[in-house]
Amino acid sequence: GAVVSQHPSRVICKSGTSVKIECRSLDFQATTMFWYRQFPKQSLMLMATSNEGSKATYEQGVEKDKFLINHASLTLSTLTVTSAHPEDSSFYICSVEGSYGYTFGSGTRLTVV
Amino acid sequence: LAKTTQPISMDSYEGQEVNITCSHNNIATNDYITWYQQFPSQGPRFIIQGYKTKVTNEVASLFIPADRKSSTLSLPRVSLSDTAVYYCLVALNTGGFKTIFGAGTRLFVKA
Repeated sequence: GAVVSQHPSRVICKSGTSVKIECRSLDFQATTMFWYRQFPKQSLMLMATSNEGSKATYEQGVEKDKFLINHASLTLSTLTVTSAHPEDSSFYICSVEGSYGYTFGSGTRLTVV
Repeated sequence: LAKTTQPISMDSYEGQEVNITCSHNNIATNDYITWYQQFPSQGPRFIIQGYKTKVTNEVASLFIPADRKSSTLSLPRVSLSDTAVYYCLVALNTGGFKTIFGAGTRLFVKA
């Protein structure tokens, strides 16, 4: 499967600031990447599908202006949480479609204070 | 997208075999069944994938009946380190098709 690198692993930011999370496909050219959010004791919730060279497709209820996704190359997708608030504190995970299903990044723990 | 249903939690003891069954009644012809394992504060990790009958790898077996409306992940001789959440996913194997997670099964392995 694909090798996925996600950074940072954890970040603490002040309310009102923006945070960028990177997801890199190290050995696979990914035209599609996925971004998930996971709250404690809950399952992963798909936020959006990141498409290389075009606009991301957001799931219902996910604010595209708040969660900016850029997929400018076949190996990198970024998720920027803009004007973060404490309720945005969560575990964010990306995934890449590889040869045998989906490979997930190690996740980013975002804490907004 | 095929919806999946799994038990919320299961308990086991070290050395036992654990079987987790997932129901996916509306699985499509081209869908594959994939199981993932997730530890706290980590991304899900691929365990095994199958389309029909039985698949076995070094860590698990996957049993899929002929109608493919359910699947069973079998973990032989579990250890404490197998305590995790296990997710069953049903989706097309390729094509950028989005993957929707169900609630997963929280497995507790006791000493």
